[in-house]
Amino acid sequence: KNEVEQSPQNLTAQEGEFITINCSYSVGISALHWLQQHPGGGIVSLFMLSSGKKKHGRLIATINIQEKHSSLHITASHPRDSAVYICAPGPHSGGSNYKLTFGKGTLLTVNP
Amino acid sequence: NAGVTQTPKFQVLKTGQSMTLQCAQDMNHEYMSWYRQDPGMGLRLIHYSVGAGITDQGEVPNGYNVSRSTTEDFPLRLLSAAPSQTSVYFCASSAQLAGVSEQYFGPGTRLTVT
Repeated sequence: KNEVEQSPQNLTAQEGEFITINCSYSVGISALHWLQQHPGGGIVSLFMLSSGKKKHGRLIATINIQEKHSSLHITASHPRDSAVYICAPGPHSGGSNYKLTFGKGTLLTVNP
Repeated sequence: NAGVTQTPKFQVLKTGQSMTLQCAQDMNHEYMSWYRQDPGMGLRLIHYSVGAGITDQGEVPNGYNVSRSTTEDFPLRLLSAAPSQTSVYFCASSAQLAGVSEQYFGPGTRLTVT
């Protein structure tokens, strides 16, 4: 089973700050997902990546497959970024191609 | 496209009652799954399907049944509700295997079993 560790568990920032959320996993994977969940809300997929870096607006996701580590960065954070961010490594290489493993999430609060 | 829809949004059951949580998607996705989300824990896979007529168990399948008679629909049945099944349930779909395809989630069903 893939063990997933996200850090920090909780993060409070001031508007405009640069945010980094980290995700480490224990088993080799084919791809990793970053998800966003607003309080009381549904879950939205932000990124799926298997190597390097992806950027969407103010959000940047990076992954190092060899180090088994991924980071999610938010530049110029805004109160509307307040949400839980969830890391979900894909199935390990050679294993079942369907089952994701989910981290417990990082609760981000951005104050104005 | 409506994406992934779930009904109901909220439900309260008494112990021992049965019910069905509905999930539908209009994206013609082959892969659908059900997760539960509990405080302090990551999402956990209950059951999944890789196409109409094909289902399999996930991490926490006990007390739940599924079927997939059409590509669009993937209902989750609670056979005899227990307080331990109090949770938020999410249905998800994807065009391809989870490792290589974006996941689309429904809005969730908040279930309380008393």
